[in-house]
Amino acid sequence: EAGVTQFPSHSVIEKGQTVTLRCDPISGHDNLYWYRRVMGKEIKFLLHFVKESKQDESGMPNNRFLAERTGGTYSTLKVQPAELEDSGVYFCASSQDGWETQYFGPGTRLLVL
Amino acid sequence: SQKIEQNSEALNIQEGKTATLTCNYTNYSPAYLQWYRQDPGRGPVFLLLIRENEKEKRKERLKVTFDTTLKQSLFHITASQPADSATYLCALDMSGANAGKSTFGDGTTLTVKP
Repeated sequence: EAGVTQFPSHSVIEKGQTVTLRCDPISGHDNLYWYRRVMGKEIKFLLHFVKESKQDESGMPNNRFLAERTGGTYSTLKVQPAELEDSGVYFCASSQDGWETQYFGPGTRLLVL
Repeated sequence: SQKIEQNSEALNIQEGKTATLTCNYTNYSPAYLQWYRQDPGRGPVFLLLIRENEKEKRKERLKVTFDTTLKQSLFHITASQPADSATYLCALDMSGANAGKSTFGDGTTLTVKP
């Protein structure tokens, strides 16, 4: 069984540009989560999808971040326009049930210059 | 304010010894707690989950305890090996409306020396 995959693995962009991160969850997992870890800080929750619906987006930092999960399969996280403080590692995770083990992807390392 | 603390940023032990990592929390009432392993450049990998009504959980060389009175979880690796060297993260999860919204500690980097 394939695990959670994320694309790209790395992205270097300039301040003001747009970046779109993609996450493919484990097949059959209705729950999909986005987290990020900025330099020197702990991993922090961004949002949670159940199928195509946003269950909880309380961790989204501001309206420059837009997450979608059309069709309830893969998800995208778009940052527009990117700022320097958006640099970090963005993780995606999925789970079968919304209250138990989450399986993480390898992360996308974003550097905004 | 809510806070999760893992004992130290780094822990160095000799191969064969037991590694004990600590996760303390304040102002949370977690439904369960999870421990993850993270290697450089990788995402966290789930190891063990322990619920609020469980005192102890074991899996091979791993053991987790959960004391909701002390607001503390201990994570033990017995007969440690150099391959156990990694960063270990604890994460708390609530129930109800906040289920699935894991809150992570900073992690403890374990180095097992041969």
